[in-house]
Amino acid sequence: DADVTQTPRNRITKTGKRIMLECSQTKGHDRMYWYRQDPGLGLRLIYYSFDVKDINKGEISDGYSVSRQAQAKFSLSLESAIPNQTALYFCATSDFGPSTDTQYFGPGTRLTVL
Amino acid sequence: DAKTTQPTSMDCAEGRAANLPCNHSTISGNEYVYWYRQIHSQGPQYIIHGLKNNETNEMASLIITEDRKSSTLILPHATLRDTAVYYCIVRVGNDYKLSFGAGTTVTVRA
Repeated sequence: DADVTQTPRNRITKTGKRIMLECSQTKGHDRMYWYRQDPGLGLRLIYYSFDVKDINKGEISDGYSVSRQAQAKFSLSLESAIPNQTALYFCATSDFGPSTDTQYFGPGTRLTVL
Repeated sequence: DAKTTQPTSMDCAEGRAANLPCNHSTISGNEYVYWYRQIHSQGPQYIIHGLKNNETNEMASLIITEDRKSSTLILPHATLRDTAVYYCIVRVGNDYKLSFGAGTTVTVRA
């Protein structure tokens, strides 16, 4: 979905390096999410944010941190990258309403940690 | 969230309708049926969702049985670009949690 963009799309880095993955959205949604996907596995939630001042850990937050710079921007950082953080990373936003919350995903960032 | 059961894989001929079944016999009254798909290594794409009435949008139709224990996603005229893994997800509508199971791998053949 072009309304959710992620940069970079591909990144190769070395063990111990700090890297940042960025996500921007033009959908005007308050909620944003970071997921990772490993080969053959489903998506796992890393962090989520319901608004600029509300950030929460997901099921696999260890080794990651996030920053919600604005409603439209949500960044994921790996403070000291390790090889098992090699994965596909997806950002998502959601359209929260009284009865439904539909998530829309970005195109993904393929991260390789050597 | 209620669990779902989908076939592991299915083939479909290009130009024909693709009917993807999903069983969710333990669905609760406040849980919606959502469908997403993921084309190889791309971000999951929202398709459609519904509570109890049948729904249709520009991508697909969703048919939910009267007892809500199963549903069918219909892609009316499948194209090669519809080849993807399709996920049926049952969840409380405004819950932030979104859990993808194994899904159905749909291959559209020319």
